[in-house]
Amino acid sequence: EVQLVESGGGLVKPGGSLRLSCAASGFTFINAWMTWVRQAPGKGLEWVGRIKTKTEGGTTDYAAPVKGRFTISRDDSKNTLYLQMNSLKTEDTAVYYCTTGYYWGQGTLVTVSS
Amino acid sequence: QSVLTQPPSASGTPGQRVTISCSGSSSNIGSNTVNWYQQLPGTAPKLLIYSNNERPSGVPDRFSGSKSGTSASLAISGLQSEDEADYYCAAWDDSLNGQVFGTGTKVTVL
Repeated sequence: EVQLVESGGGLVKPGGSLRLSCAASGFTFINAWMTWVRQAPGKGLEWVGRIKTKTEGGTTDYAAPVKGRFTISRDDSKNTLYLQMNSLKTEDTAVYYCTTGYYWGQGTLVTVSS
Repeated sequence: QSVLTQPPSASGTPGQRVTISCSGSSSNIGSNTVNWYQQLPGTAPKLLIYSNNERPSGVPDRFSGSKSGTSASLAISGLQSEDEADYYCAAWDDSLNGQVFGTGTKVTVL
């Protein structure tokens, strides 16, 4: 059974940092392009960014609102995806999902507030 | 920011057919495939349609997708109460070099 389990969410002050993790199982993680998508309370889905496989260079792409502040990485030895979020803003408050595009995690809530 | 436009709501009675549109541009729908996601209340999104009109295993054939030019559509035939959800289209955008989602459509079963 495929599982994606996000963790690391919580309350953080504006300007602070947080690192989200996504533990994957049930599929060949090393061969999967992985994506982060977020959803602000009561709002629609917003693509955050993605990372390709190491074989394809591990290239990352980011949405304009997070570029330069967020970093996506992966540890294929641990089947884990990460999202390092720095210089957080109140508008980054959202549920953050990791996804292969096909499979989705349950999400983890990040709240940025003073 | 959503660059794909969907109607905010759609509704129908059980058994009816409902269609949701998704309007984009040449840099996204016009040059890339479209996926559709279903999000039931309080849950994570679920892939409903990929590559414009393909259904993942387990998705009922009541759901179908199509694409023409810079627009795409999702049709739900034989509407059921469990289809009440938010629906989002998505496509890669070559100009933004990122994926873009639609504004979302809330489907209500009357």
